[in-house]
Amino acid sequence: SAVISQKPSRDICQRGTSLTIQCQVDSQVTMMFWYRQQPGQSLTLIATANQGSEATYESGFVIDKFPISRPNLTFSTLTVSNMSPEDSSIYLCSVEIGGTPYEQYFGPGTRLTVT
Amino acid sequence: GQNIDQPTEMTATEGAIVQINCTYQTSGFNGLFWYQQHAGEAPTFLSYNVLDGLEEKGRFSSFLSRSKGYSYLLLKELQMKDSASYLCAVINRDDKIIFGKGTRLHILP
Repeated sequence: SAVISQKPSRDICQRGTSLTIQCQVDSQVTMMFWYRQQPGQSLTLIATANQGSEATYESGFVIDKFPISRPNLTFSTLTVSNMSPEDSSIYLCSVEIGGTPYEQYFGPGTRLTVT
Repeated sequence: GQNIDQPTEMTATEGAIVQINCTYQTSGFNGLFWYQQHAGEAPTFLSYNVLDGLEEKGRFSSFLSRSKGYSYLLLKELQMKDSASYLCAVINRDDKIIFGKGTRLHILP
């Protein structure tokens, strides 16, 4: 298993501003992901954070809106840029741990409200 | 398209058994997960099925039928702490994980 922490745990932001969310893992992991969970909706994958190279974005998500950094194997950041109320959501990072194939562990999430 | 269906809400009684169904239509199949998510918390891993059949893990069991695109999560001897959302998720042939919207389970004393 892995211990994953996220900062901040929640924030209320003004539209047009940006927020950077940090994800820290207590061990080195190859695969890190960023998800969004809007109220009453399923988890949606935003992107895969690649160490040492640009993130791989899913359809509907672009780097200008959600820039991601992955400077090493234990840390990543997701920035939500030029926010609008539609960006109000919970943002979660997750990691894939070796052993059971595809077993993913999630961070506690960042609850973002944009006013 | 890719689609995962599960009931929105279910209610059961403490000590009883409940079965949460999940049907899926995805581009290929590389495995199915069940996650538990308490309100305001991150999802936690419950089970992973890639072959047909039943996997038992304590009070929780998960079943898969690939030919029917169907899985269920069986919870026995329900406890109040089992009140949570249960997410069904499928890995498609591109190794993308697609999540269902979750089933909110209410446990009554």
